[in-house]
Amino acid sequence: SQQGEEDPQALSIQEGENATMNCSYKTSINNLQWYRQNSGRGLVHLILIRSNEREKHSGRLRVTLDTSKKSSSLLITASRAADTASYFCATDGRDTSGTYKYIFGTGTRLKVLA
Amino acid sequence: DAGVIQSPRHEVTEMGQEVTLRCKPISGHDYLFWYRQTMMRGLELLIYFNNNVPIDDSGMPEDRFSAKMPNASFSTLKIQPSEPRDSAVYFCASTDRVVGEQYFGPGTRLTVT
Repeated sequence: SQQGEEDPQALSIQEGENATMNCSYKTSINNLQWYRQNSGRGLVHLILIRSNEREKHSGRLRVTLDTSKKSSSLLITASRAADTASYFCATDGRDTSGTYKYIFGTGTRLKVLA
Repeated sequence: DAGVIQSPRHEVTEMGQEVTLRCKPISGHDYLFWYRQTMMRGLELLIYFNNNVPIDDSGMPEDRFSAKMPNASFSTLKIQPSEPRDSAVYFCASTDRVVGEQYFGPGTRLTVT
C-alpha cells in the first residue's frame, strides 16, 4: 500500500487531556504535514515540518519527525471539545522520475469529551 | 477569497450515467489536485495539475475517469460510465507552490446506485 499508516485509528479523551497521534510512512520525503478534517468538511492544514527538522510547535500543537524511523507524531495539548475531528498526516517527495508524489495517511479519529 | 469552490455538493446518479464534478481553485493558485475519499481506501490523490497541465495522473483508477483543466480557474473530473464503486467524496484542492499547505474545497459526495 502507498498509504501512510496512522495510529491509533480512533482516540477518545477527556477535555483538558493531551492527545497524541502517530504516523508512519514508507518512502523518503521532503516534508510532512498534518491536516484536520471535521465531519462532512474538507481538510484544513495544521502544520508542516521539513525533513531536516525534528520538532515544530504551533499554538497547542507539537509535531515531531524521526526520518530514521519514518515516523511522526502530533501532540495536541489541553484538548478542547472543538478539537474533535479526524487528523491526517501527508507526505510529499519526488519519485525516481522527479515527479512530486503526495500521500495521505489513513487518519486518526479524535473525540474529545466535554 | 471564497476559497476552493466545488459543485455540485451532492450528486446521486444511476450506474452507467456520466458524472461531471467541477472545481474552481483559489485565484492565483497554479496547482490543482483531485482526491477521492472512501472509508475503505482513505484519501487518494487521483491527479494534479500545474499551470493547467496534468503532472501526475497515476492515481486515476481507470479509463472511465478523466480530468481536464481548460484554464486557470476551472477544472472538471468526469466519470463515464459511472459504477457503484465510484461512490465516494471527491475533493479538489489548490495551492500556490509545489509543496506546502493545500486548500481543500468542501467536497462532492457522489452516490452511484
